Amino acid sequence: SQTIHQWPATLVQPVGSPLSLECTVEGTSNPNLYWYRQAAGRGLQLLFYSVGIGQISSEVPQNLSASRPQDRQFILSSKKLLLSDSGFYLCAWSTGQDYGYTFGSGTRLTVV
Amino acid sequence: KQEVTQIPAALSVPEGENLVLNCSFTDSAIYNLQWFRQDPGKGLTSLLLNQSSQREQTSGRLNASLDKSSGRSTLYIAASQPGDSATYLCAVIGPGTGNQFYFGTGTSLTVIP
Repeated sequence: SQTIHQWPATLVQPVGSPLSLECTVEGTSNPNLYWYRQAAGRGLQLLFYSVGIGQISSEVPQNLSASRPQDRQFILSSKKLLLSDSGFYLCAWSTGQDYGYTFGSGTRLTVV
Repeated sequence: KQEVTQIPAALSVPEGENLVLNCSFTDSAIYNLQWFRQDPGKGLTSLLLNQSSQREQTSGRLNASLDKSSGRSTLYIAASQPGDSATYLCAVIGPGTGNQFYFGTGTSLTVIP
C-alpha cells in the first residue's frame, strides 16, 4: 500500500535560519507531489507541485523553494526564514486528478 | 478564478443529529471534488472523492453529493458522534484551478455528547 512520510513533525527556527522539510512516498511510482501551507485561520495554499524528477512548478512567489531529487522525494527549502513563513506545511501526492490527493501528517513550523 | 466557499464556518450540534455541510464553487467546470477531514494539528484525511459524473459517494455514515451545474456539494453526516468533531474541507479540481485541487476554508464541526 502507498504511504507518505513527512518530517519533522514540529520545528522552531530563528528568523534568518535555513529550512529543509522532507517528504517521501512509498508504494507508488512517478507520483505528482505537492507542498501546501496552512496559515492560522486560513485555507490551504498550494506552494509547489511536481510531476516528475527535477520538474517544479511554483504557484506563489515567496521565500521558499522546492526540489525533487528522486522520484518519490520532495523537499521544501528556504535559505533565510521570515516570521511570515510560520505555518503548517503539508505534503501530498496523487497519481492523477481522478484519484484525489493523499496528505502527509504535516510539519508545524514556528519562526521566532 | 475559482472560488470555493464553505458555510457555515463553524457548527455545533448535539450527538445523534444528522447534519449537512455545504461547499460551493464559482466555476462549474470542475473534474472532481474531494472532501477531507482535519483533526487539530494533524494532516488531512480523505473522506470521499466525487469523480466527474458521480453525483453521490457514500462511505459508512457519510454521503457526499455533487451538483456541478449549480456549483454545489454537500456532505451529509448521519447520526453524528463526538468523534466526528473536526474541520471538514472540500476541494475542487478543474481547468479553473490550473488542474490542481483548490481548497475551501473549511467548516469546524463540534459534536456535543
